[in-house]
Amino acid sequence: DTAVSQTPKYLVTQMGNDKSIKCEQNLGHDTMYWYKQDSKKFLKIMFSYNNKELIINETVPNRFSPKSPDKAHLNLHINSLELGDSAVYFCASSQGVSHSPLHFGNGTRLTVT
Amino acid sequence: QQQVKQSPQSLIVQKGGISIINCAYENTAFDYFPWYQQFPGKGPALLIAIRPDVSEKKEGRFTISFNKSAKQFSLHIMDSQPGDSATYFCAATAAFSGSARQLTFGSGTQLTVLP
Repeated sequence: DTAVSQTPKYLVTQMGNDKSIKCEQNLGHDTMYWYKQDSKKFLKIMFSYNNKELIINETVPNRFSPKSPDKAHLNLHINSLELGDSAVYFCASSQGVSHSPLHFGNGTRLTVT
Repeated sequence: QQQVKQSPQSLIVQKGGISIINCAYENTAFDYFPWYQQFPGKGPALLIAIRPDVSEKKEGRFTISFNKSAKQFSLHIMDSQPGDSATYFCAATAAFSGSARQLTFGSGTQLTVLP
């Protein structure tokens, strides 16, 4: 039983395309996140949703648009993909916005050619 | 601006040795310091965490040492095992915009434990 699941695991696409990554958590958490891990493994938060409301929106190109249809799902849509978007994207969840640990999915490796 | 600086970038240790990873922070509002462990092809997972009101926390072979005045904290892995080979991230969190909190990660340390 995967706690935080992301699909797809791998995504290879060409520049200019639009793609989506889906995330679902079955932990009953009320906060979900998207993180980007670059080729040097640096982890940077992109977005955070608490109870379907956006609470953290870091400096991310507006080509990236998160959508949270309910507390258990947080999807990431990316328009007009660029080479620099190639990275591993991690979805995570936590309970509340305090010190509870983040539970990460296994990532989606996006390669833009 | 990197608010949590982590070193070394990579570390090679013999089996049974002690692995030490160091982190320094700038933001005095940080009030919770977790360490995450990431294996290849997996997402990071919480390993151990500490609050600034204590100087040390130990869980099994893993110990966090915290120096509030120096704004530094470190992870010590005693009796390192090949299965500990992974990337380790220190992190820090502070309140953000009211009750929301944001986790800031260090740049990661690739640990290799030789058999």
